[in-house]
Amino acid sequence: EVLLTESGGDLVQPGRSLRLSCAASGFTFDDYAMHWVRQAPGKGLEWVSGISWDSGRVGYADSVKGRFTISRDNAKNSLYLQMNSLRPEDTALYHCAKSMGERVEQTLHYWGQGTLVTVSS
Amino acid sequence: QSALTQPRSVSGSPGQSVTISCTGTSRDVGGYNYVSWYQHHPGKAPKLIIYEMTKRSSGVPDRFSGSKSGNTASLTISGLQAEDEDDYYCCSYAGTYTLRFGGGTKLTVL
Repeated sequence: EVLLTESGGDLVQPGRSLRLSCAASGFTFDDYAMHWVRQAPGKGLEWVSGISWDSGRVGYADSVKGRFTISRDNAKNSLYLQMNSLRPEDTALYHCAKSMGERVEQTLHYWGQGTLVTVSS
Repeated sequence: QSALTQPRSVSGSPGQSVTISCTGTSRDVGGYNYVSWYQHHPGKAPKLIIYEMTKRSSGVPDRFSGSKSGNTASLTISGLQAEDEDDYYCCSYAGTYTLRFGGGTKLTVL
C-alpha cells in the first residue's frame, strides 16, 4: 500500500522559514517523480513544485519560485520542501503526491493527507 | 500561470449525466496528453479519476469518462449517484516541468 506522510507544518511569522518533509513507503521511491500541492483555506488546489526521480528536473509555480526549494533523498525515501521568506498567502494544507512515473510531467497518482502551514504574525 | 478554467458548480439529478469542462491554452491542455481529473473532499487526499485525458484510474467505475478537444478537456459522469457529490479538479502539464490545476468544480447531486 502506498503511504505518504507529510510533517513539518507549523504556525510561523511572515518572513520566516519552514521545512516540510514527506515520508514515503509501499513503493520503490526512486522510480517515481514527486510533487507538492497545496490548498489554501476556501481555495482550490494549487501545484507548488515537482521533482524527477533523479532530482535532475525540477519545476516551481511562479508564486513560489525563488523562495521554495524542492529536494529528495532516495536513500531515505523522503521528499522535502524548504520554504523561505514565507508570506501570509502561503498559508495552506500542503500535500505530498507521487507521480505515475519517473518524469515530472506525469500524472499525480497518490496523495498524502497533508500538513498545515499557517503564516501569521 | 493562470489556473485552468472550470465552471464553479454543476448539478444533476440521480441517474442523469453531467459534464465538467476544463479550458486552457495550447501551452497546457491543448499541447499535451497529460490531462488528469481528481475527486476531492477538502481536507482529505484527492483521488485520481482520469489520467492522460481518457484513461480511468484503477477501481473507478466506467460511469466516469474523459475527453479532450483542442484546448478543452471534459469529465463526464453518467448515471449520477449521491456519492458523486464532491469537488472535481482538472490538472494539466504546462511545460518546463510545471503542472497547472483548474479552479475546481463543485458537483451537487439534486
